[in-house]
Amino acid sequence: EVQLEESGGGLVQPGGSLRLSCAASGFTFSIYAMNWVRQAPGKGLEWVSVIGASVSVTYYADSVKGRFTISRDNSKNTLYLQMQSLRAEDTAVYYCAKAQYSATWKRGFDPWGQGTLVTVSS
Amino acid sequence: QSALTQPASVSGSPGQSITISCTGTSSDVGGYDYVSWYQQHPGKAPKLIIYDVSNRPSGVSNRFSGSKSGNTASLTISGLQAEDEADYYCSSHAGSTTLLFGGGTKLTVL
Repeated sequence: EVQLEESGGGLVQPGGSLRLSCAASGFTFSIYAMNWVRQAPGKGLEWVSVIGASVSVTYYADSVKGRFTISRDNSKNTLYLQMQSLRAEDTAVYYCAKAQYSATWKRGFDPWGQGTLVTVSS
Repeated sequence: QSALTQPASVSGSPGQSITISCTGTSSDVGGYDYVSWYQQHPGKAPKLIIYDVSNRPSGVSNRFSGSKSGNTASLTISGLQAEDEADYYCSSHAGSTTLLFGGGTKLTVL
């Protein structure tokens, strides 16, 4: 069974940093692009970032570019999101999501983890 | 880039059909056949129900169908059931480096 489990969320002050992790199991992690998607409380989904299977390709939403860094460790089947200069508007549940197909990240995300809550507040 | 436009809410009675629209531009929905739809129940993670405009992943009911015309994609749910009550989100690629989501539509089964 394919499983994704996020961790690392919590309360952080504005301007602070946090690193999220997503542990993957049940599939060949190294051949799939992986994504982070967030959802502010009571709001809709917002795509945050994607990393290709080969780690050389990374893309970011304009709202996090320059502050967030996506990475992966294929030897540990783990995806990361390093978040810096955090703002109140970054408060959200952060989901990791696997690309449905190994050849591209464009054909849907399946499955998603259960998410980890990040709260940015003083 | 702005989020894709979805109606905030739709409703229908059990057994009926409903359609949720997702409107973008020629730079996203209209320009690529990479539209996906997700179902999200309260407190749960989103679930992929349609990809590539009209394809269903294995295990998804054939009551769910997708289509696209110009800059607007649509999700149709036929034979509405109580378990279909959820939030629905569309997504589309906008170029090779960006993905957009719609604002979400709350489906109420009356």
